Amino acid sequence: GAGVSQSPSNKVTEKGKDVELRCDPISGHTALYWYRQSLGQGLEFLIYFQGNSAPDKSGLPSDRFSAERTGGSVSTLTIQRTQQEDSAVYLCASSLLGVNEQFFGPGTRLTVL
Amino acid sequence: SQQGEEDPQALSIQEGENATMNCSYKTSINNLQWYRQNSGRGLVHLILIRSNEREKHSGRLRVTLDTSKKSSSLLITASRAADTASYFCATSGSSNTGKLIFGQGTTLQVKP
Repeated sequence: GAGVSQSPSNKVTEKGKDVELRCDPISGHTALYWYRQSLGQGLEFLIYFQGNSAPDKSGLPSDRFSAERTGGSVSTLTIQRTQQEDSAVYLCASSLLGVNEQFFGPGTRLTVL
Repeated sequence: SQQGEEDPQALSIQEGENATMNCSYKTSINNLQWYRQNSGRGLVHLILIRSNEREKHSGRLRVTLDTSKKSSSLLITASRAADTASYFCATSGSSNTGKLIFGQGTTLQVKP
């Protein structure tokens, strides 16, 4: 079956521009997560959606970052006024409710010039 | 901030040898998971061990958990060149919300 997909796979933008990153989770997965991985580093938790509950936004690094999940499926991570330090691979994952194993997408590599 | 520390940061071994990676964490957990990452992109789940378990096996993988020391180890036996990847431990907190906190990872190179 289809796994988690993310688009675009690569995004190059200029400092100060806004970007939108998209994640399509596995069908039926109620939980969706966004992580960020800087070069050579581990994953940094950003935000977590679980069903109809309020999202856990505790990992968002600044108010320039926001995310939505429409209709309990597709999610969009938006970064406004991008900075060079936002350059990283942004990974999305999904899981079934109450199941701990997370399934990851291939990531979006964001480069801010 | 990251929950876990992993060591070694990098490990290079010959095919057929065993590889051991260690992970330490700071807070109470519900479970600890190990993931593999190839080429800096998507992660693949390898194995999960719950806080009330001490050891778990899956194929050539063996995971141990010592909650008193807040540490875990991943052993890959009879390594293959295809095992070359980065390995991350990730912990789910005691409230088990699903949110994972990842370690910094160990980069494993298996030479043919």
